[in-house]
Amino acid sequence: RKEVEQDPGPFNVPEGATVAFNCTYSNSASQSFFWYRQDCRKEPKLLMSVYSSGNEDGRFTAQLNRASQYISLLIRDSKLSDSATYLCVVNIASTLGRLYFGRGTQLTVWP
Amino acid sequence: DVKVTQSSRYLVKRTGEKVFLECVQDMDHENMFWYRQDPGLGLRLIYFSYDVKMKEKGDIPEGYSVSREKKERFSLILESASTNQTSMYLCASKTQGAEDGYTFGSGTRLTVV
Repeated sequence: RKEVEQDPGPFNVPEGATVAFNCTYSNSASQSFFWYRQDCRKEPKLLMSVYSSGNEDGRFTAQLNRASQYISLLIRDSKLSDSATYLCVVNIASTLGRLYFGRGTQLTVWP
Repeated sequence: DVKVTQSSRYLVKRTGEKVFLECVQDMDHENMFWYRQDPGLGLRLIYFSYDVKMKEKGDIPEGYSVSREKKERFSLILESASTNQTSMYLCASKTQGAEDGYTFGSGTRLTVV
């Protein structure tokens, strides 16, 4: 069983749309959570950390539900430049700093 | 900003060659990682290191080895390159703090012919 599961998509949305990605994790010892963004043929880059109380960064909102072991990312007012693959990432305690990655959700925003 | 530098952006090697991929980070991070990424398979961990001279196998270590003689440098070695090792290789580093994510290098696209 994979540590982190994501719907691979693809999600194809028009500019201005709101889109949500979901992710589940299997290990209850998971202690920190992130969303990464990866553009085509580039390295993943940290988009935002996810905190228990939920957090927002401009058009992006991340939520964590520890009871359901579920993480979400909401993108409002989508831009063409949001087209990318979004990776859900989890840090599990006692794994020597290793992070666990979902396979990613592909988003395409069209004009 | 943390910088993680991979020595080559593109590399073409012949089957059977010994291949060295180098990664250097400039922020005194304890942990360093080597991944490969293939379409449909996501990121797969090959090896990682949490201190100088320390190494841990990841999920797919077969055919690879690593070296960490200095804190800032983590090398991935393909002992005898094979065509199924054609892939994008990504190096990453992080602190030991649980709250910190990785910083990735820009990747090395290796083709074995």
